[in-house]
Amino acid sequence: EVQLVESGGGLVQPGGSLRLSCAASGFTFSSYAMIWVRQAPGKGLEWVSAISGSGGSTYYADSVKGRFTISRDNSNNTLYLQMNSLRADDTAVYYCAKDKEVVVTAITDYWGQGTLVTVSS
Amino acid sequence: QSVLTQPPSVSGAPGQRVTISCTGSSSNIGAGYDVHWYQQLPGTAPKLLIYGNTNRPSGVPDRFSGSKSGTSASLAISGLQAEDEADYYCQSYDSSLSGWVFGGGTKLTVL
Repeated sequence: EVQLVESGGGLVQPGGSLRLSCAASGFTFSSYAMIWVRQAPGKGLEWVSAISGSGGSTYYADSVKGRFTISRDNSNNTLYLQMNSLRADDTAVYYCAKDKEVVVTAITDYWGQGTLVTVSS
Repeated sequence: QSVLTQPPSVSGAPGQRVTISCTGSSSNIGAGYDVHWYQQLPGTAPKLLIYGNTNRPSGVPDRFSGSKSGTSASLAISGLQAEDEADYYCQSYDSSLSGWVFGGGTKLTVL
C-alpha cells in the first residue's frame, strides 16, 4: 500500500525557514517523480515544486523560485522541501504527491494527508 | 486569478448529469497539453479522477468522464450521487509559466 506521510509543518515568523519532509513507502521511491502542492486556507490548489525520480531535474512555481528548494533521498525514501524567506502568503497545507512516471508529468496518483505551515508574527 | 478558469459552483439532483468546464488558452490546453482532473472531498487530500484528458485510474467509476477540445476541457459526472459532493480541480501545463497550473476549483453541490 502506497503511503506518503508529511511532517515538519508548524508556525514560523515571516522571513524564517522550515523544512518539510515526506516519508514514502509501498512503492519503489526512486522510480517516480514527486510533487509538492499547497492549499491556502479556504483556497484552491497551487502546484509548488517537482523533482524527477533521480533528483536530476527540479521545477518550481514562480511564487517560490529562489526561496524554496526541493530534494530527495532515494536511499531513505524521503522527499524534502526547504522553505526559506517565508512570507504570510506561504501559509497553507502542503501536500506531497507521487507522480505516475519517473519524469515529472505532475499526474499525481497518490497524496499525503498534508502538513500545515503557518507564517505569522 | 487562475490561468485555468472553472465555474465556482455547479449543482444537480441525484441521478442527473453535470459538467464542469475548464477554460485555458494557447499556452496551456490550446497548446496541446493534457488536462487532468482531481476530486477533493471535504477535509481530505485531492484524488486523481481523470488523467490525460480522458483516462480513468483504476477504481474510478465510469460515471466520471473527461473530454478536451481546443482551449477547453470538461469533466462530466452522470448518475449524480450524494457522495460526489466535493471540490473539483482541473490541471495542465502552461508553457508561458513553465510550470503546472490548477484551475480555481468548482464546488459541486448535490441537491
